[in-house]
Amino acid sequence: EAGVAQSPRYKIIEKRQSVAFWCNPISGHATLYWYQQILGQGPKLLIQFQNNGVVDDSQLPKDRFSAERLKGVDSTLKIQPAKLEDSAVYLCASSTAGTSRGTQYFGPGTRLLVL
Amino acid sequence: QKEVEQNSGPLSVPEGAIASLNCTYSDRVSQSFFWYRQYSGKSPELIMSIYSNGDKEDGRFTAQLNKASQYVSLLIRDSQPSDSATYLCAVIPSGGSYIPTFGRGTSLIVHP
Repeated sequence: EAGVAQSPRYKIIEKRQSVAFWCNPISGHATLYWYQQILGQGPKLLIQFQNNGVVDDSQLPKDRFSAERLKGVDSTLKIQPAKLEDSAVYLCASSTAGTSRGTQYFGPGTRLLVL
Repeated sequence: QKEVEQNSGPLSVPEGAIASLNCTYSDRVSQSFFWYRQYSGKSPELIMSIYSNGDKEDGRFTAQLNKASQYVSLLIRDSQPSDSATYLCAVIPSGGSYIPTFGRGTSLIVHP
C-alpha cells in the first residue's frame, strides 16, 4: 500500500512570497490533516478535512494560509504572503475515518525555509 | 484549550535499561491515546495506541493509561541506541470532531 505522498520535499522562499504544498493521502482514507511542526515542538494541527469538508481549521492563520481538498482526495496548502515565522515542516497525514480511533499515517513532510 | 504535556528532555538511559516516557492531558473527555516515534528529520510513525485504562504491551513497548489521573506513559524495555528519537504523545477526544492534539515530544537518548 502506497503511503502519504507530499511535494515538494524542500522549499526556500523569501518573505512575502507565496508557496503551495501538495498532499496525496493513502487511497481510501477519508480524513486528511495538515500540521505545522516548528523545530523542537510537536505537530500543530492547521486544518482537518473529512472527505472534502473542513472539520476544523481553528488554528489556521486564515489571513495568509488557505487549504482545499477538492474531490475529497488530494489537498493543497497555500501560504500567501509568507513570513519568517512560517519556517517549519509541513506534515500531511491521513486516516481511514474521522473517529477517535483513527490512526494517522504521516507523509514525509515539506521543509519550508522563509528568508 | 486542550493541552497535552510532555517533558521535553532529553531523557538519557543506558543501553538495556527501561526508558519511561510520560504524558499528561487536560481534556477529561479524551478517548484515544497514541505514541508516535519521530527520528530527526523524519515524520512521525505510530508505535502504540491505547484506549482503555491499564497496560497494553507490544514487544518491548508497553503503554499505560490512567484516565482518572489523566496520564499516559510509554515504557521501552531493553532500550537500544536505535530507540533514540523524539516520542510524541497524541490525544483524541471522544465525540465531536475527533480533533487530535499532540504534545511537544520527549527526546530520548540511549547511549551504548
